[in-house]
Amino acid sequence: GAVVSQHPSWVICKSGTSVKIECRSLDFQATTMFWYRQFPKQSLMLMATSNEGSKATYEQGVEKDKFLINHASLTLSTLTVTSAHPEDSSFYICSAPRLAGEADTQYFGPGTRLTVL
Amino acid sequence: GQNIDQPTEMTATEGAIVQINCTYQTSGFNGLFWYQQHAGEAPTFLSYNVLDGLEEKGRFSSFLSRSKGYSYLLLKELQMKDSASYLCAVLDSNYQLIWGAGTKLIIKP
Repeated sequence: GAVVSQHPSWVICKSGTSVKIECRSLDFQATTMFWYRQFPKQSLMLMATSNEGSKATYEQGVEKDKFLINHASLTLSTLTVTSAHPEDSSFYICSAPRLAGEADTQYFGPGTRLTVL
Repeated sequence: GQNIDQPTEMTATEGAIVQINCTYQTSGFNGLFWYQQHAGEAPTFLSYNVLDGLEEKGRFSSFLSRSKGYSYLLLKELQMKDSASYLCAVLDSNYQLIWGAGTKLIIKP
């Protein structure tokens, strides 16, 4: 079964509004979570690394003031798309590593489809 | 429930061929993706199958059988750089991604 959930699954909003997307690890604690966006049939593009208790680390070219990340607890990270515009329409996916033995296994969320009108 | 199964780990020899299988049970089907992920990097897109059959792209091929809920990724002429995790993911009827746990492929000289 799923070990990482996202909410909402899909959202449609008007241009200029803000949208919050939640990513939860369901049965394990994740001090780190990753946020990606994906365009159709393309690779996942890493946007930022969410760190519990500290500031997120953003990839080059990703506006930190536009994509606000808050890692509120060991099981929850949120991505807020502020003042969303149509070009922000995309599939947003989070992932969390889970330590199993000596290796991390990366678990991906089901994604949130954002459409900005 | 929804489920995707793929082997946890596979080992192959440089220059050889390897087939990574993926079976799925999902609520609806809108396509199947294969991704390659090197440690510490984001997954890169390899293929997308929505119709039955084999799609070839260079050294990589992907096959889909919707009636059997089955796909495989075929890698030919293996190179050391192909050592990575290979993720299978299905887009279900709600256009949500259902992810496999990934197959770690180890290439030996």
